[in-house]
Amino acid sequence: KNEVEQSPQNLTAQEGEFITINCSYSVGISALHWLQQHPGGGIVSLFMLSSGKKKHGRLIATINIQEKHSSLHITASHPRDSAVYICAVVKGNQFYFGTGTSLTVIP
Amino acid sequence: DGGITQSPKYLFRKEGQNVTLSCEQNLNHDAMYWYRQDPGQGLRLIYYSQIVNDFQKGDIAEGYSVSREKKESFPLTVTSAQKNPTAFYLCASSRDRPGANVLTFGAGSRLTVL
Repeated sequence: KNEVEQSPQNLTAQEGEFITINCSYSVGISALHWLQQHPGGGIVSLFMLSSGKKKHGRLIATINIQEKHSSLHITASHPRDSAVYICAVVKGNQFYFGTGTSLTVIP
Repeated sequence: DGGITQSPKYLFRKEGQNVTLSCEQNLNHDAMYWYRQDPGQGLRLIYYSQIVNDFQKGDIAEGYSVSREKKESFPLTVTSAQKNPTAFYLCASSRDRPGANVLTFGAGSRLTVL
């Protein structure tokens, strides 16, 4: 069983829709990261969270430590948001990665 | 601009050959990592290094080797002992311990065994 589960696996949205991607984890963690992987393969870090909520532009990430759950929200989605979004948790000196949510935003 | 450079971007290997993937960073980060990505699976750790001249095996180290002779460089060798080497390989770094810092990734190297 993977320590990190993401849902949904695949998501298609119309431009302008509000999008939510969920991440649940089963281990005690010191931090949670949200990453974005574009079709070319490169990965960029969006957020690092240990509690509460962070916002950057149209992206919002929240974490509930007690429930072992995090969400990534995208407001006013745009075709350029199309990518794979990966949740990763930190336990000790290691990262554990989810399998990713593939998002396609249609104009 | 600071970042991580991986090369080559695409690599083809015949069975039985060793190949080396390059990873160079100019971020002055202490920690460096090699991950393997296969379709439908999360990133899996091959090796990581917290400081120069020291590295630790990850979950799938068999058939791979690394070195960390300089802070900036962390090359990965895929040996002939790796039974299924076709995959996308990502190098990453962080300032120090992973819980306190974001990861910075290279653009990746795609290895195909012919």
